[in-house]
Amino acid sequence: DAKTTQPPSMDCAEGRAANLPCNHSTISGNEYVYWYRQIHSQGPQYIIHGLKNNETNEMASLIITEDRKSSTLILPHATLRDTAVYYCIVRVAGVTDSWGKLQFGAGTQVVVTP
Amino acid sequence: SQTIHQWPATLVQPVGSPLSLECTVEGTSNPNLYWYRQAAGRGLQLLFYSVGIGQISSEVPQNLSASRPQDRQFILSSKKLLLSDSGFYLCAWSSGTNTFSNQPQHFGDGTRLSIL
Repeated sequence: DAKTTQPPSMDCAEGRAANLPCNHSTISGNEYVYWYRQIHSQGPQYIIHGLKNNETNEMASLIITEDRKSSTLILPHATLRDTAVYYCIVRVAGVTDSWGKLQFGAGTQVVVTP
Repeated sequence: SQTIHQWPATLVQPVGSPLSLECTVEGTSNPNLYWYRQAAGRGLQLLFYSVGIGQISSEVPQNLSASRPQDRQFILSSKKLLLSDSGFYLCAWSSGTNTFSNQPQHFGDGTRLSIL
């Protein structure tokens, strides 16, 4: 599976949009981009995933560039409860010898301030 | 809706003691199930995965074992705990409609295990 690069940390003001970048320049055509977040002492929480089209759900939006080498997770109106480590992961779909495992990197520590 | 339960939330065990952590999933059938471990300040390491009852695959050799006695029950065990077994243990499930499809994995709240 391809690796991802994320900034180690970023701050965001409460009520503003948080834009979290992720580089995955070696992504393959059949690899999906997944976003998770982990609030301290809790299990990772799935946020959103996509292949090449932009995606939106009740939590966030995912913007994937046309060449698929990078993506941005957008939290439209950040709240204090969005403070967490955010992970960008790429993973191939279908049966693979990696057993569908998710490889979490260091992620981005997002701190939402009042 | 689907839910995943793990227990206990925290556990303190002496070296050499046995271990049993349980994970159950509700609201879905034939899920893929996973056990991960997260050491302090580090990423998640996949330990075991299962695509069905009695079907267990191990990612890395270790002091732990897993079992799936029922469709939605996944158990992590050890006969003798080591100090290095300390960590945050997470159970996850994903839709088993197509093995390892693009469906995301959903995690439980984890068990924090401390070995003394």
